Amino acid sequence: GENVEQHPSTLSVQEGDSAVIKCTYSDSASNYFPWYKQELGKRPQLIIDIRSNVGEKKDQRIAVTLNKTAKHFSLHITETQPEDSAVYFCAATPTGFQKLVFGTGTRLLVSP
Amino acid sequence: SQTIHQWPATLVQPVGSPLSLECTVEGTSNPNLYWYRQAAGRGLQLLFYSVGIGQISSEVPQNLSASRPQDRQFILSSKKLLLSDSGFYLCAWSVLSRSGNTIYFGEGSWLTVV
Repeated sequence: GENVEQHPSTLSVQEGDSAVIKCTYSDSASNYFPWYKQELGKRPQLIIDIRSNVGEKKDQRIAVTLNKTAKHFSLHITETQPEDSAVYFCAATPTGFQKLVFGTGTRLLVSP
Repeated sequence: SQTIHQWPATLVQPVGSPLSLECTVEGTSNPNLYWYRQAAGRGLQLLFYSVGIGQISSEVPQNLSASRPQDRQFILSSKKLLLSDSGFYLCAWSVLSRSGNTIYFGEGSWLTVV
């Protein structure tokens, strides 16, 4: 089955800096990779996703890159703001599978 | 548009008491439904998922059970709660498509077992 590893577990940056969170997956059949943001005490919410037919996707200050050969994908946040502080989860799943496999989460702290 | 409702939002239960958490989805048919648990400061643990009425797959053996009596209703139950059952319980739904399986979470239920 799929296994997703996520690093780092904690990331502290200064406001305005960039933040990068990396995930690796084990199942080469996986081809859908979403990212979720979970603020304290709230539900995880989808912020961006990428499918295996593209290598990069951007949405304003966030971007995700995918390297299928190396089986890793990353979340990039530029010009970080205090409201970006949250826990971020990556996930992976093969097409046709009912379950997402989540990473263990990264706690991002953006200091003013 | 699709919405997911989950209740109760918060509950405090004594050890050994029963549990029932309920979740309903609106605006879609035949969704995949999920129950996740999140211990304080931890990751997302998949407990159960269902691809149709009466079809339940259990991911983790434990004293919890799930049922899907209707297409858009998913219930998490326990006959006797343990202290270790405390956590943040999240119901979620998805519709499998050719492009992926995006999961959307409900607002969650905070359970404290005392």
